[in-house]
Amino acid sequence: AQSVAQPEDQVNVAEGNPLTVKCTYSVSGNPYLFWYVQYPNRGLQFLLKYITGDNLVKGSYGFEAEFNKSQTSFHLKKPSALVSDSALYFCAVRDTNAGKSTFGDGTTLTVKP
Amino acid sequence: DTAVSQTPKYLVTQMGNDKSIKCEQNLGHDTMYWYKQDSKKFLKIMFSYNNKELIINETVPNRFSPKSPDKAHLNLHINSLELGDSAVYFCASSRSSGGGYEQYFGPGTRLTVT
Repeated sequence: AQSVAQPEDQVNVAEGNPLTVKCTYSVSGNPYLFWYVQYPNRGLQFLLKYITGDNLVKGSYGFEAEFNKSQTSFHLKKPSALVSDSALYFCAVRDTNAGKSTFGDGTTLTVKP
Repeated sequence: DTAVSQTPKYLVTQMGNDKSIKCEQNLGHDTMYWYKQDSKKFLKIMFSYNNKELIINETVPNRFSPKSPDKAHLNLHINSLELGDSAVYFCASSRSSGGGYEQYFGPGTRLTVT
């Protein structure tokens, strides 16, 4: 079985400050890990993924995520937040042996000017 | 050049009616999905098709019936609509091999049952 947890429903950060949105996962095999962003009244947009290789993955809009196997985590980060980053963020995991991805419950990021 | 499109964008209907939502992708993907997002924004997978074959069928009432006429299309038909069916329904697509698997989502169909 595979599962993913986003422990924070809401993250608030001031513009210009670094941001972190947390994600932990559980899989029986090796994980494929993803981050998606959803702006209001829009579909989810793919941000970045970890398949294999370098633990630090860079994605769209200046976001990056760090895969940590020992802590089974895949936290999303950005060095300097923008007001326009305010959105709902979903982490997802797919076991290499599974036929589907499992999504977390989402974290609402609010960046204040 | 929309990658994943859905129609209609909004659907307002009465309880007991039957409705359909259509989805098309032009990304050349072989796998398509239907998700339901409830009022709390939780995302739940409903169905997945790979090369027109149903591969995922989560615990969804029989009133929901997906159909995939070809790899680029996945439709969702809902019979005897209930108040609890009100939600946003998203279609998505992805590759099934090559290490990709990231999904591309449509804009959603907001279904309101009155």
